[in-house]
Amino acid sequence: EIVLTQSPGSLSLSPGERATLSCRASQTISSSYLAWYQQKPGQAPRLLIYGVSSRTTGIPDRFSGSGSGTDFTLTISRLEPEDFAVYYCQQYGSSPKTFGQGTKVEIK
Amino acid sequence: EVQLVEFGGGLVQPGRSLRLSCAASGFTFDDYGMNWVRQVPGKGLEWVSGISWNSGSIDYAESVKGRFTISRDNAKKSLYLQMNSLRAEDTALYYCVGPFGVALPWGQGTLVTVSS
Repeated sequence: EIVLTQSPGSLSLSPGERATLSCRASQTISSSYLAWYQQKPGQAPRLLIYGVSSRTTGIPDRFSGSGSGTDFTLTISRLEPEDFAVYYCQQYGSSPKTFGQGTKVEIK
Repeated sequence: EVQLVEFGGGLVQPGRSLRLSCAASGFTFDDYGMNWVRQVPGKGLEWVSGISWNSGSIDYAESVKGRFTISRDNAKKSLYLQMNSLRAEDTALYYCVGPFGVALPWGQGTLVTVSS
């Protein structure tokens, strides 16, 4: 099983600041099958990024994904008020599909 | 509009069974593999099971293997999860999810509570 470790567990930032979220895998993720989700309170998760760096239609370009192998990053270039949420990474290249434990981005 | 609607959750005693259903609309259901993902309220996400478009490939998390059965009916555009021998640790919000890496919106989930 591929274990995904996200860091930090929480991030306290102000609107307009840059957020950098990390996701580290216990082994290489095959075929770049790494995704990022955003979840707001009371809502289902929403897919932001798939294939490490491809943005889903409608996701603003302030969200970007990067990385390879075992180290991946989600960057939010300038935080907007609606970006404060929990973010999960997920690998879907091998079974069992696994999620990181999440990073909470909070308003400072 | 693409929509996934789960139902069938509820309060059930340990050891009993429950069947979840998911009704899909707004997309070609039989083109896609489907998954169930669960989330303990306030906690993280856990993949539970997945099924290919034609039911030819099925997979389970170790935590539910041998107790849960995923199935689908393409004619009815429906996904199912038969949950047997339920345990307290199965208590969670269960989401019906399309194939990973594809931007189909998740359902809002159905809550399963296993308690005596």
